[in-house]
Amino acid sequence: RKEVEQDPGPFNVPEGATVAFNCTYSNSASQSFFWYRQDCRKEPKLLMSVYSSGNEDGRFTAQLNRASQYISLLIRDSKLSDSATYLCVVLGVTSGTYKYIFGTGTRLKVLA
Amino acid sequence: GAVVSQHPSRVICKSGTSVKIECRSLDFQATTMFWYRQFPKQSLMLMATSNEGSKATYEQGVEKDKFLINHASLTLSTLTVTSAHPEDSSFYICSARGDPQGDTQYFGPGTRLTVL
Repeated sequence: RKEVEQDPGPFNVPEGATVAFNCTYSNSASQSFFWYRQDCRKEPKLLMSVYSSGNEDGRFTAQLNRASQYISLLIRDSKLSDSATYLCVVLGVTSGTYKYIFGTGTRLKVLA
Repeated sequence: GAVVSQHPSRVICKSGTSVKIECRSLDFQATTMFWYRQFPKQSLMLMATSNEGSKATYEQGVEKDKFLINHASLTLSTLTVTSAHPEDSSFYICSARGDPQGDTQYFGPGTRLTVL
């Protein structure tokens, strides 16, 4: 089983739609959680950190469920510019070293 | 703040040559830098963790003699792909963490390596 699993998609949604992505992780000792956005042939860019209490940034809402070991990202009122791959990232500690573990990413395409 | 640069952004080389990629933190001191590789339609895979002034820690399956990492200062880490082969063609991305206790990594723009 992969340490971080995501549905690769693609999710094709019309402009204005609400779309949700989930991500599951296998290591219950994982420390921190993030959503990154990656555009084609570019580096990942931090979208938001994910907190147990849930957090919102404009049209984006992230949730963490530690008991079920999953993280979600909700995008409301999708824009064409939201088209990208969304990477779920889990921070774990192995032998005293902090390491990011990336999911394979979920591809989103927002259609006009 | 928290800008990381990489150079070169793109390199094409012949099989058997060595290629050096630089990663710099421009506005902060990076105690730890990470090197990742990403193949098409796959996720980022951590290759090695580099701490300033000490030897890099390589992930399982990554040859340390092939991928030489040097982190000589708090703002610069280099990755040298030695005797490159076509299967080394990939997108190499570095990231940097400034705060040893902090969680956030800042990514460089990546280097696209093509080995002919």
